[in-house]
Amino acid sequence: GAGVSQTPSNKVTEKGKYVELRCDPISGHTALYWYRQSLGQGPEFLIYFQGTGAADDSGLPNDRFFAVRPEGSVSTLKIQRTERGDSAVYLCASSLIQAGITGELFFGEGSRLTVL
Amino acid sequence: QKEVEQDPGPLSVPEGAIVSLNCTYSNSAFQYFMWYRQYSRKGPELLMYTYSSGNKEDGRFTAQVDKSSKYISLFIRDSQPSDSATYLCAMSGAVDKNFGNEKLTFGTGTRLTIIP
Repeated sequence: GAGVSQTPSNKVTEKGKYVELRCDPISGHTALYWYRQSLGQGPEFLIYFQGTGAADDSGLPNDRFFAVRPEGSVSTLKIQRTERGDSAVYLCASSLIQAGITGELFFGEGSRLTVL
Repeated sequence: QKEVEQDPGPLSVPEGAIVSLNCTYSNSAFQYFMWYRQYSRKGPELLMYTYSSGNKEDGRFTAQVDKSSKYISLFIRDSQPSDSATYLCAMSGAVDKNFGNEKLTFGTGTRLTIIP
């Protein structure tokens, strides 16, 4: 696609429910990132994929959060037993890694999660 | 103490003024420094990217990095109403040649309004 696509753009759920957020990166980009942005804050790193594997998941806050990228393209962020504190905008970004040179991250518009 | 500190503003200046935005950081391992612009309800987009200390200019934008002081700046000349947005500084450490980008650490963002 032309850019990083995230669905849903908005999700309202009740405390305790399960949520899935989807990210479709720019075609050909091997690296995919998930960030979380709370109101008035900068994006906070969650997890980074290089291909199908999670190269760094150190930002996942606890074991309620899990992300997959089974075919090295689309990724799904899964949140179990949602809590009100999970309310935030979840941003996905992708980049093309070339010869070890840090590449520009292209962000999607985010999925706005509200937990009531 | 956060690794990256950024004054959240808000900052309002008249059209045509020079804008100065700044971040300080504490992690001496940071080598790559970026400025992102984020419009309301959109994902961040990369404005400027610099490696190590020095200046970089791109049109009306100038980025400065002073690693000895752990201080980075973004200057906007001849500011325009379309520059009204939140500006996020971001930085990362060494790039792994196999895994590409390390995770970015963002500041909280400065909300800027250019008054016509």
